[in-house]
Amino acid sequence: QKEVEQNSGPLSVPEGAIASLNCTYSDRVSQSFFWYRQYSGKSPELIMSIYSNGDKEDGRFTAQLNKASQYVSLLIRDSQPSDSATYLCAAPYNQGGKLIFGQGTELSVKP
Amino acid sequence: GAVVSQHPSWVICKSGTSVKIECRSLDFQATTMFWYRQFPKQSLMLMATSNEGSKATYEQGVEKDKFLINHASLTLSTLTVTSAHPEDSSFYICSATLAGQGWNEQFFGPGTRLTVL
Repeated sequence: QKEVEQNSGPLSVPEGAIASLNCTYSDRVSQSFFWYRQYSGKSPELIMSIYSNGDKEDGRFTAQLNKASQYVSLLIRDSQPSDSATYLCAAPYNQGGKLIFGQGTELSVKP
Repeated sequence: GAVVSQHPSWVICKSGTSVKIECRSLDFQATTMFWYRQFPKQSLMLMATSNEGSKATYEQGVEKDKFLINHASLTLSTLTVTSAHPEDSSFYICSATLAGQGWNEQFFGPGTRLTVL
């Protein structure tokens, strides 16, 4: 199993719907997780971080961490066309500070 | 807060020349900076980890003599691509972590698009 895995998508949702992005991880990463958004041709932007089991909400974004099942998800409520981007899940290696990134999920929000 | 800048934002050079890319943390001190490379439609690939005042740690398969990294201060790291060739054309992105921050949040610069002719 890869350290951090995501479905590459593309995931297509209609405007106003909830977009659900998922990420699974292995025992080789520490249990602090980050979601980055990357628009085409741009660098990643940190949008959410989560360290504890459960949900963390920030505006239209909710991150969910389930340590028992080793997955972390990002929900985007009331999806907008401007949310169309690639979303990267990341976690640090156990032995060091470097982040391991999933391959990213491409999200397309249709008007 | 936590703004990271890169310069230049894009560069075109001839094969065989060297290119220097600067990465600066503008409003915080960064104990560690990271250099990534990203090819089209692919995820980020970590090239090296740079700590202020010490030698960079390179990932497997990355040539340290070709990609020279200098981290002279807590706010500046540079990546020099020496004797660049067309296969080095890519999007180079740096990131930085906050000094004293234990949770490994990385803040990314805007990236530098390198095209080698």
